[in-house]
Amino acid sequence: DAKTTQPNSMESNEEEPVHLPCNHSTISGTDYIHWYRQLPSQGPEYVIHGLTSNVNNRMASLAIAEDRKSSTLILHRATLRDAAVYYCILREGGWFNFGNEKLTFGTGTRLTIIP
Amino acid sequence: GAVVSQHPSRVICKSGTSVKIECRSLDFQATTMFWYRQFPKKSLMLMATSNEGSKATYEQGVEKDKFLINHASLTLSTLTVTSAHPEDSSFYICSAIDGNTGELFFGEGSRLTVL
Repeated sequence: DAKTTQPNSMESNEEEPVHLPCNHSTISGTDYIHWYRQLPSQGPEYVIHGLTSNVNNRMASLAIAEDRKSSTLILHRATLRDAAVYYCILREGGWFNFGNEKLTFGTGTRLTIIP
Repeated sequence: GAVVSQHPSRVICKSGTSVKIECRSLDFQATTMFWYRQFPKKSLMLMATSNEGSKATYEQGVEKDKFLINHASLTLSTLTVTSAHPEDSSFYICSAIDGNTGELFFGEGSRLTVL
């Protein structure tokens, strides 16, 4: 499985944007970049995913480098409820490759929001 | 609301007993389910892949006789921790693939404490 590297922890002030980086220098052409987050004592929650183009949804934005070796999850206006561990994961073929749904979780980034 | 439900969310048992944890997909058919365990402050570790109607595929180092997985229907997979010991105390999380869309959903997790 292609590996991802994330900072162990980050802090951000409430109501400010947060940029969570992820390095994936060994990404292959068919790997989709997925982001999940996990709140304390809960299962992971899907945040966003993309392949090459930047993506936006109601939760966040995903900026993907042109060479795809890194990506950044952007929370536009952090709230206290965004405090969680954020995981950047590569999944071959994205959602629709039924032969490769297995996800390998790295250590993730623990995001602390300062009121 | 949750589309993948785990039960029980918390369970405490005596050493030597067996505990069953259920993972249900609530409004989709899950051809594949995954079981993870997570220790405090650590990332998720994949234990096994469960396919409906066939034997589970276990990750290296996971004892299949210790962690029995049954995926008897397209909406239910169970994990039974047999002869539980205190070191089996952990947070167990399942995930399920929607067989139609390929989307991946996680359960809320089940916290097992073995006394």
